[in-house]
Amino acid sequence: NAGVTQTPKFRILKIGQSMTLQCAQDMNHNYMYWYRQDPGMGLKLIYYSVGAGITDKGEVPNGYNVSRSTTEDFPLRLELAAPSQTSVYFCASSRWSVAVGTDTQYFGPGTRLTVL
Amino acid sequence: ILNVEQSPQSLHVQEGDSTNFTCSFPSSNFYALHWYRWETAKSPEALFVMTLNGDEKKKGRISATLNTKEGYSYLYIKGSQPEDSATYLCARDNYGQNFVFGPGTRLSVLP
Repeated sequence: NAGVTQTPKFRILKIGQSMTLQCAQDMNHNYMYWYRQDPGMGLKLIYYSVGAGITDKGEVPNGYNVSRSTTEDFPLRLELAAPSQTSVYFCASSRWSVAVGTDTQYFGPGTRLTVL
Repeated sequence: ILNVEQSPQSLHVQEGDSTNFTCSFPSSNFYALHWYRWETAKSPEALFVMTLNGDEKKKGRISATLNTKEGYSYLYIKGSQPEDSATYLCARDNYGQNFVFGPGTRLSVLP
């Protein structure tokens, strides 16, 4: 049981380049999330998904896109990278049901992205 | 966006001291509050999920209380140890969807 995995761990991009950050979980969690960590600002939610085929914007979605074609995978796409997107990106997953309610989020190890 | 605030921003205590910090959040339409412990260069690790007014949860030397009517939660650490040094995050949970995190309280425990 690997939990939440993210690739790559580090990446340097040039302004205007694009890339996809990969996230996968093997816990059969229905909910998945992408956050960015900015210094002194904690975690900001970029996008989330409540199940395969369903995604929604969080607090800071501009410049990003997501898809959720399977329960396990939730990739984050950066189009036309900008220096403002330099950050550490965390993927997380959790299980939510009407019967049980909310559960804790499990976080991946993070991807450190630098845009120069 | 529901603002979640935490205080203090940072805290330095001596080993053996007990300490506490605060998470404040909008109380309307409350669903759940989460506490996380986040060590440098690691991922946030869950401590507690709290849902009911008056909830009190405990995990070893760490405990938390919840007041949903006035919109705050306290995290307590009894007899702080150097390994407790970390950033402690709280997050307001909107039915498992739109989590809003506070900025965190950075705790340093000096030996």
